[in-house]
Amino acid sequence: KNEVEQSPQNLTAQEGEFITINCSYSVGISALHWLQQHPGGGIVSLFMLSSGKKKHGRLIATINIQEKHSSLHITASHPRDSAVYICAVRWNTGNQFYFGTGTSLTVIP
Amino acid sequence: GAVVSQHPSWVICKSGTSVKIECRSLDFQATTMFWYRQFPKQSLMLMATSNEGSKATYEQGVEKDKFLINHASLTLSTLTVTSAHPEDSSFYICSAREVITDTQYFGPGTRLTVL
Repeated sequence: KNEVEQSPQNLTAQEGEFITINCSYSVGISALHWLQQHPGGGIVSLFMLSSGKKKHGRLIATINIQEKHSSLHITASHPRDSAVYICAVRWNTGNQFYFGTGTSLTVIP
Repeated sequence: GAVVSQHPSWVICKSGTSVKIECRSLDFQATTMFWYRQFPKQSLMLMATSNEGSKATYEQGVEKDKFLINHASLTLSTLTVTSAHPEDSSFYICSAREVITDTQYFGPGTRLTVL
């Protein structure tokens, strides 16, 4: 069974802390998305990766294809970063994305 | 970057009515769009794959007569929830696949509440 696992499930951090959220998957993928979902539900696509590393502002996403693992890092975290972060992967054998269960991040001032 | 919009962003309806949700790719053509559903505190689950000009492919357990999908043009797919019931209350999200770059873009989602 193809699986997407995220860790941790819940994360509480103090403002300013460096945060890492992990995503592991079981078989080969052609693409991986990191998504952000705020309490109101709206989805924002942060990154799409197929290899290497991407950076946007305080956010960094990395992927290791051999280890089947991706990480999302937030530097200098801020309360407005509080949201659910979701990893979504597209298996090599298909076009649709499958989603991890999400990591709920709370950043305390 | 490419943008996918959904309309409406939220809707409240009475039980038994039908609700249509639109998904549009704003600056690219999408031959394939996907519809997902998210129940509270759960992950997103694929409902169906919508192909322009042909019938949608539904995932197991999704009633095609209840969730009507139409992909009439390369920039628009619609999901109609027919005879909605409270258990259909959920967050519905679409994504669109840009053929040229083989990139998928996600819409912001539509929150449906059935009273």
